[in-house]
Amino acid sequence: DIQMTQSPSTLSASVGDRVTITCRASQSISSWLAWYQQKPGKAPKVLIYKASTLESGVPSRFSGSGSGTEFTLTISSLQPDDFTTYYCQQYNSYPWTFGQGTKVEIK
Amino acid sequence: EVQLVESGGGLVQPGGSLRLSCAASGFTFSSYNMIWVRQAPGKGLECISYISSDSSAIYYADSLKGRFTISRDNAKNSLYLQMNSLRDEDTAVYYCARCGSYAYFRHWGQGTPVTVSS
Repeated sequence: DIQMTQSPSTLSASVGDRVTITCRASQSISSWLAWYQQKPGKAPKVLIYKASTLESGVPSRFSGSGSGTEFTLTISSLQPDDFTTYYCQQYNSYPWTFGQGTKVEIK
Repeated sequence: EVQLVESGGGLVQPGGSLRLSCAASGFTFSSYNMIWVRQAPGKGLECISYISSDSSAIYYADSLKGRFTISRDNAKNSLYLQMNSLRDEDTAVYYCARCGSYAYFRHWGQGTPVTVSS
């Protein structure tokens, strides 16, 4: 199975900050990576797919980059609604696997 | 509008069984592969089972060790997960999700909680 490792596990930031979350795959997954946002008690919502393609309706302050084994999700200017948990997911090969999550909290 | 609505969760004793259902609407269910994802309390997301549109391909997570069975009824626009020999570690919220052309998940249900406890 491909292991996905996110860092950091928790990130403290303020409104307006630029933040970056990293996701590393245990083997190359080309660009087959998605990023999700999950709020408490809700299903995940896809933000980015194919490593860098912004899902329709997602604010442009979210961006993704990377290929192979290292990927990043960047939020250019944190908004109050963005303080929640983010997951990466590889879909290069089954079993599709998620990172352990990064919680973005208010500093 | 795509809608996925899970049901069937609840409290069950260790060793017991539950059958989860996922009712789909707003799209041609028989054309899409589907998946079950679970999330234990305070934990991350785990893809536990996949079924292709025509049920010809089925996969399970190794962690299930043959205890769960995924199925679908395209005539009823429904996805199922039969869960047997339940263990404490199966306690989680169970989501159904629709696969697109690629296996990332744009559409999810609201989740149904399963608690395994004596």
